[in-house]
Amino acid sequence: EAGVTQFPSHSVIEKGQTVTLRCDPISGHDNLYWYRRVMGKEIKFLLHFVKESKQDESGMPNNRFLAERTGGTYSTLKVQPAELEDSGVYFCASSTGIFDNEQFFGPGTRLTVL
Amino acid sequence: DQQVKQNSPSLSVQEGRISILNCDYTNSMFDYFLWYKKYPAEGPTFLISISSIKDKNEDGRFTVFLNKSAKHLSLHIVPSQPGDSAVYFCAAKRLGSNYKLTFGKGTLLTVNP
Repeated sequence: EAGVTQFPSHSVIEKGQTVTLRCDPISGHDNLYWYRRVMGKEIKFLLHFVKESKQDESGMPNNRFLAERTGGTYSTLKVQPAELEDSGVYFCASSTGIFDNEQFFGPGTRLTVL
Repeated sequence: DQQVKQNSPSLSVQEGRISILNCDYTNSMFDYFLWYKKYPAEGPTFLISISSIKDKNEDGRFTVFLNKSAKHLSLHIVPSQPGDSAVYFCAAKRLGSNYKLTFGKGTLLTVNP
């Protein structure tokens, strides 16, 4: 069974540009999460989808971040316009609909904003 | 305001000895705790968990202890192996849900041969 995949693995952009990150969860997983780790800090929650609906977006930093999960399959996270403080590693995770089941993480996308 | 704290950024132990990683939490709503292990350029992978109704959970070389009154948990690895060298994250959530995980900053464990 394929794990959670993320694309791209690395992205280097300039301040003010737009970047779109993609996450493909494990097939059949209803729950999809986005997290971010800024260098040296904790992994912080951004938002949670249940199928195509946003269940919790309390961690989204501001309205420059837009997440979508059309059709309840893959998800995208767009940052527009990117700022220097957006640099970090963005992780996607997925889990089944059963409560407390393990969240499986993807390898992350390392975003560098210059 | 960090709700999950791992106060040791790094830990170095000899192969075969015990590794003890510590974690403290402040939010009384947390009742399910997890440890994740992370290698460079990979995502975190689940290692072991414990719910607040228990004070110990064991899986092979890994044991997690929970002290609810102190809001403290620890991960014991015995015996430690060089392949255990990784960043270990403590995480917490509310049981009975698919709520988000709240993570600590991680502890880099180095196991020396």
